[in-house]
Amino acid sequence: TQLLEQSPQFLSIQEGENLTVYCNSSSVFSSLQWYRQEPGEGPVLLVTVVTGGEVKKLKRLTFQFGDARKDSSLHITAAQPGDTGLYLCAGVADNDKIIFGKGTRLHILP
Amino acid sequence: ETGVTQTPRHLVMGMTNKKSLKCEQHLGHNAMYWYKQSAKKPLELMFVYSLEERVENNSVPSRFSPECPNSSHLFLHLHTLQPEDSALYLCASSQDGSGGTGYGYTFGSGTRLTVV
Repeated sequence: TQLLEQSPQFLSIQEGENLTVYCNSSSVFSSLQWYRQEPGEGPVLLVTVVTGGEVKKLKRLTFQFGDARKDSSLHITAAQPGDTGLYLCAGVADNDKIIFGKGTRLHILP
Repeated sequence: ETGVTQTPRHLVMGMTNKKSLKCEQHLGHNAMYWYKQSAKKPLELMFVYSLEERVENNSVPSRFSPECPNSSHLFLHLHTLQPEDSALYLCASSQDGSGGTGYGYTFGSGTRLTVV
């Protein structure tokens, strides 16, 4: 059974600080997606990474896919209250099945 | 209206009730999905419809019954549910049947279901 482990489960930091959250698996994925879910809403796709070692930037968010395509990280620079939410990673297997992690719940304190 | 719309947003039902959740997508996507989101668990795929045909049913109990009358509408019919079925039910759509392309899923806002 393929699993995606996200860490930490919860993170509460002050506005302006930097942070990194992780998504790890023992399985190889053809691509990996990151979503953000705000309270009372559905997840919204932020980015898809496809190539091992790939780095994508979305304003203050930097996403990296591991060289072996088994893990990924999300780094946020100078966190803002608007970054608060549940961050979900989803791995796409070669058979196109998508596995979600449990998520990292991020709270940015003003 | 654009995106994926789910109704109702909140639903409280007794264990003997019958209710339906509705999902509508205005994106021209070919595939639609039902997911269950429970606290401290990953998103669980329930049903997949591609071009209006059910292509996957992940061993969901028969008290959940999906219906996809056309490529824009998806329903989840509920009957004799259990309290452990209380969760956020999310509808999603994607351009193709996998959701694995760069476009990923577009999710609705969900229906918060409470079974009493």
